[in-house]
Amino acid sequence: NAGVTQTPKFRVLKTGQSMTLLCAQDMNHEYMYWYRQDPGMGLRLIHYSVGEGTTAKGEVPDGYNVSRLKKQNFLLGLESAAPSQTSVYFCASGQLEAFFGQGTRLTVV
Amino acid sequence: AQSVTQPDIHITVSEGASLELRCNYSYGATPYLFWYVQSPGQGLQLLLKYFSGDTLVQGIKGFEAEFKRSQSSFNLRKPSVHWSDAAEYFCAVGDPGGFKTIFGAGTRLFVKA
Repeated sequence: NAGVTQTPKFRVLKTGQSMTLLCAQDMNHEYMYWYRQDPGMGLRLIHYSVGEGTTAKGEVPDGYNVSRLKKQNFLLGLESAAPSQTSVYFCASGQLEAFFGQGTRLTVV
Repeated sequence: AQSVTQPDIHITVSEGASLELRCNYSYGATPYLFWYVQSPGQGLQLLLKYFSGDTLVQGIKGFEAEFKRSQSSFNLRKPSVHWSDAAEYFCAVGDPGGFKTIFGAGTRLFVKA
């Protein structure tokens, strides 16, 4: 069972570059989420989706965009990366119990 | 507004000793409560959850937690800690919709021999 798979696992970007993080789940979940994790701050919700074709803003959405074109995939985009976006990004799926991917460590220099 | 407080940033216990990790929440209605564990370099794994009913809930890996409404607390306990329990633990509060789960800042557990 793959569960929730995130790619890539690590990435270094230069300020101003763009990238897309991919999340795939094989549990047929309607709900999917993107979080960022920073030291001492726990996990903060960036965006979420309650079904294919839907997205909504979370707690810290600025600088990020998302798309949910297929039920199993949830993409997180950074159009113009900034050093403040250096973080570990987690994707999760599920409604009441969240299943997490292993994370993407992103460094913006 | 919803919030979750984990008062202890880190805790050190001896292997075999008992453990209690504290969690306090603020929520306007009956909360859904969770404890997750994160091992280094890994994602979060659900340890246990409380939705309703018996206020003492059992989870995986020998953990349990008790919901105390009067104290707005959901503390995590384990009678005897193993070295493999060293990790970071997150308390979370959510609503029935599931998409407004708020996480605490985490408590890092160190286990000494």
